[in-house]
Amino acid sequence: DIQMTQSPSSLSASIGDRVTITCRASQSISRYLNWYQQKPGKAPKLLIYLASSLQSGVPSRFSGSGSGTDFTLTISSLQPEDFATYYCQQSSSIPWTFGQGTKVEIK
Amino acid sequence: EVQLVESGGGLVQPGGSLRLSCAASGLTFSTYNMNWVRQAPGKGLEWISYISSSGSAIYYADSVKGRFTISRDNAKNSLYLQMNSLTAEDTAVYYCANSGNYRLDYWGQGTLVTVSS
Repeated sequence: DIQMTQSPSSLSASIGDRVTITCRASQSISRYLNWYQQKPGKAPKLLIYLASSLQSGVPSRFSGSGSGTDFTLTISSLQPEDFATYYCQQSSSIPWTFGQGTKVEIK
Repeated sequence: EVQLVESGGGLVQPGGSLRLSCAASGLTFSTYNMNWVRQAPGKGLEWISYISSSGSAIYYADSVKGRFTISRDNAKNSLYLQMNSLTAEDTAVYYCANSGNYRLDYWGQGTLVTVSS
């Protein structure tokens, strides 16, 4: 199975900050990497698919990059509604696997 | 608007069985691959099963293989998960999600399964 490792596990940031979350795969997954946002008590929501494509309706302050084994999710200017947990997920091979999550908290 | 609504969760004793359902609307269900993903309390996300749009391809995570069975009824726009031989480690919120082009597009609100005596 492909292991996905996110860093950091949590971070504190202020409104307006630029936030970067990284995700590393245990082997190359090309660009088969998705990012999800989950708020407490809610279902995950797709933000970014195939490493850098923005899901319809997602604000443009979210962006993704990377290929192979190293990927990044960036929030260019953190907004109050962005405080949540973020997960990466590989869809290169079954079983699809998720990172452990990165919790973004208010500083 | 796409809606996926799970049902069937609840409290079950270890060794017991439960059948989850996911009712889909707002999409042409028969053209979408579907998945079940679960989340143990306070933990991360775990993909557990996939079924292709026609039902011809099915996959499971090792953690549920041989105990869980995914199925679908395209005429009823519904997805199912039959769960047998449940253990405490299966306690989680179970989400259904459709997948197209290698991503989980839409998710239901989830249904909680608690395995406890």
